[in-house]
Formats: sequence, C-alpha cells, structure tokens
Amino acid sequence: SQQGEEDPQALSIQEGENATMNCSYKTSINNLQWYRQNSGRGLVHLILIRSNEREKHSGRLRVTLDTSKKSSSLLITASRAADTASYFCATDAGRDSNYQLIWGAGTKLIIKP
Amino acid sequence: EPEVTQTPSHQVTQMGQEVILRCVPISNHLYFYWYRQILGQKVEFLVSFYNNEISEKSEIFDDQFSVERPDGSNFTLKIRSTKLEDSAMYFCASMGVLSYTFGSGTRLTVV
Repeated sequence: SQQGEEDPQALSIQEGENATMNCSYKTSINNLQWYRQNSGRGLVHLILIRSNEREKHSGRLRVTLDTSKKSSSLLITASRAADTASYFCATDAGRDSNYQLIWGAGTKLIIKP
Repeated sequence: EPEVTQTPSHQVTQMGQEVILRCVPISNHLYFYWYRQILGQKVEFLVSFYNNEISEKSEIFDDQFSVERPDGSNFTLKIRSTKLEDSAMYFCASMGVLSYTFGSGTRLTVV
C-alpha cells in the first residue's frame, strides 16, 4: 500500500452493482479525501473525511475511515457506466505539512453496461 | 462555483526549452500548490506556496523549477530547461478552509 494506497488496483463490475475500493496509509492524518479522474483528465473532488469522523455519505458515495487500522473505504452504490474512472485517495497531515496531499496509486474502476 | 483555471491545457516543447505553466487560483484561498502526474502513475506533490513564499517543496522540485505569484492572482510554475522526464500532467490547486480545488491540468509533452 501507498500512503495512501488503494486496492484493488483494478475493478470491473456490472452496472448496478456496488463498487468498494480501499485505501491504506502509513502516517497520522488530518483529513483523507477521495478523488475521481477520468482517463487523462482532471481531478474531481468527491468527498473529504476528517480524522475524527468515521463515516460520511454523499449521494451514492459512502466513505469510512478507521484510523486505528489506517484505512479508508469508498463505496459506490448502484454503479453506472459514467462511474468508470480511476479513483484516488489522498491524505494530508494538517498545517504542519502545509496540508500537502499524499496520493495513492489509484483504483481503476470499469463499469460494464 | 469558483474554479481554478489553468492554461494552457496542452503544451508541447522541445527538450531544453523553458516552459511556464499558468494558474489562476481561487481568490480568497490562502494555500497554492503544484502537483504533477506522469502518465499512468500517481499524483505527486511538487510545491506549496503560502503567504507569498514557498512553504514546502518535494525532492522533485529541484533548481529547474520555480514558482511565482507575480500579481496577486496568477500563480505560475516555470521549468527552466525541460527534460523528457518532465512530460506529465501538471495540476494547480488552491486551498481555502479545508477545501481543495484543482484545476483541470496542463498536459506537458517534452520532445
């Protein structure tokens, strides 16, 4: 795993199924964020979860954070073809690190119609 | 919704040439960043800028790189003498109150 590191590296599911991606990290964090990136395009912010939060929802997205295990998961429910993209987690250690983001290598999600 | 704007979206340059990548961050944000992503790899931190100076930089950000905020709105990344391995997507970002916003990136190709 990276700081953060996602698994699986690639995930292919049928449209309508749920997709779960995991992220692990090594050092203490302030916040953890998830981003989506369509092939060769920009980074779209999905959700931010603070270190004192355990779960957060946004539409079809559900993020959990377990600081004792230094891990997070991103669940996309009722997947759609448009969800096909790479998903990255990124952590920051707060003001002392100038909120610098450290990124995982990403999970490539393919939704089959 | 406020955006971070990056120009150009694509740039092709000859090895050894200087390039300047431009960004207009969100005006009331305090922290500014450059990240890069080599094709197929993860996003890497280059540099952060706060209070009109570099606050942190990575090992990647060597003497070939420099940043400026010349006029209070633009935020530029200059690569003095480009190398083939500088080919990547470069993302500018700014951060307000715990809110990161990324630009859509500049794809730099060094030939």
